Amino acid sequence: TQLLEQSPQFLSIQEGENLTVYCNSSSVFSSLQWYRQEPGEGPVLLVTVVTGGEVKKLKRLTFQFGDARKDSSLHITAAQPGDTGLYLCAGEGNTNAGKSTFGDGTTLTVKP
Amino acid sequence: ETGVTQTPRHLVMGMTNKKSLKCEQHLGHNAMYWYKQSAKKPLELMFVYNFKEQTENNSVPSRFSPECPNSSHLFLHLHTLQPEDSALYLCASRSPVSPLHFGNGTRLTVT
Repeated sequence: TQLLEQSPQFLSIQEGENLTVYCNSSSVFSSLQWYRQEPGEGPVLLVTVVTGGEVKKLKRLTFQFGDARKDSSLHITAAQPGDTGLYLCAGEGNTNAGKSTFGDGTTLTVKP
Repeated sequence: ETGVTQTPRHLVMGMTNKKSLKCEQHLGHNAMYWYKQSAKKPLELMFVYNFKEQTENNSVPSRFSPECPNSSHLFLHLHTLQPEDSALYLCASRSPVSPLHFGNGTRLTVT
C-alpha cells in the first residue's frame, strides 16, 4: 500500500507570511497532484508534477517534486486570506495506475 | 462550474431509509469514482468505473451499492446506513490523460 504523509496537519498564519507544506512517502510515484479544497466544495486541481526535481510555479505558489519522486512540497509566498483551505497531495504510481493515493491533508488558515 | 455535478448537496437520512446520490459529468471522461471524505482521514476510494464497468470495489460494505448506467452518470444507492457512514461523498471523473476532476460532494448525515 502506498501511503502519503502530509505535514503539518494544521497551519494558522498571518497574511503576508510564507509557508511550506510537505508531502512524503516511501513509495515512488509516476505523478503527483496538489489539490485545494474549500469548505462545502470538492478538491480542485492546482498542479501535476511528473519529473523528478521538477519545479512548477502558479502565481505565489511553488511546487517541487523530489528528485526520487517520493516527496513533494508546496511553498506559498505572501499568503493571503483567499489561500485558506485544505491542501491535498495525491500520488499515482505504477501499482495504482488510475487510482490516486491521497495524503491526509493540511488545513491552512490565513488570518487578515 | 466544475464539470462534475452532484446531487443532492446535503442529505439527512435515518438508518432505515433508502436514498440515492447522483453524479453527472460533462467532460467526456470514461472513468468515474466515488470517494468518502471523513474528518481527519484521507480520502477513501470506494468504487471505480471504467466505460460503465466496475473495476474497483475497495472493500465497501454492501449497504453502499453503486450504479453506472453510462459513462456520464454514476449513482450511489444507500440503505440501512450507520451513523459512522456520515461523511462527505465525492464523485470524480477522469480520462487516461487527465487527473481527477471532483464534484462538490454530498454531505450525508445518518441519524
